[in-house]
Amino acid sequence: EVQLVESGGGLVQPGRSLRLSCTASGFTFGDYVMNWFRQAPGKGLEWVGFIRSKASGGTTDYAASVKGRFTISRADSKSIAYLQMNSLKIEDTAVYYCTRDHGQYYAMDVWGQGTTVTVSS
Amino acid sequence: QSVLTQPPSASGTPGQRVTISCSGSNSNIGSNSVTWYYQLPGTAPKLLLYNNNQRPSGVPDRFSGSKSGTSASLAISGLQSEDEADYYCTAWDDSLNGYVFGTGTKVTVL
Repeated sequence: EVQLVESGGGLVQPGRSLRLSCTASGFTFGDYVMNWFRQAPGKGLEWVGFIRSKASGGTTDYAASVKGRFTISRADSKSIAYLQMNSLKIEDTAVYYCTRDHGQYYAMDVWGQGTTVTVSS
Repeated sequence: QSVLTQPPSASGTPGQRVTISCSGSNSNIGSNSVTWYYQLPGTAPKLLLYNNNQRPSGVPDRFSGSKSGTSASLAISGLQSEDEADYYCTAWDDSLNGYVFGTGTKVTVL
């Protein structure tokens, strides 16, 4: 079964750091672009960023709201994608989802269940 | 602040047809394909339509999509109670260099 499982969420103070993990199973992880999205409480979806496959350079891109603070990386040997979040702000409070990119047509065909990050003093 | 505009809500009785609009601009919908997701309460989003009107396996043909210029729409025909969910449109934006989303539309089955 194709599956993504996020972990690492929790309560953190403003200005601190947190690293989320996304563990994949059921497919060849290294072949896919992986994205992170988030959803603030009661709000809509927001793209956070993505990391390309190693074959496509393994490069990353980020939303303006997190650029310079968040970093996405991947460990293909472990089938894990990471989201390192630094200098967290209250407005980063959200459920964070990792997704598998369909590969065409800008679509995410697999979503994890999400992990909750709460930034509060 | 969402870049794509959707109505906040839509409703219908079982069996009716419901349509959800999604309005964008030249840099997103006007240049790239539209994807639709649905989200049941308390769960992760799921892919509903991609490439404007393509259904992944498992999505019933009651769901259809279209795109014209800088707007897109999702139609649900033969509305069923299990269709109660939030629906989001999204597209890649060439100016922002990222995915943009609609505000989401809550579909209620009366």
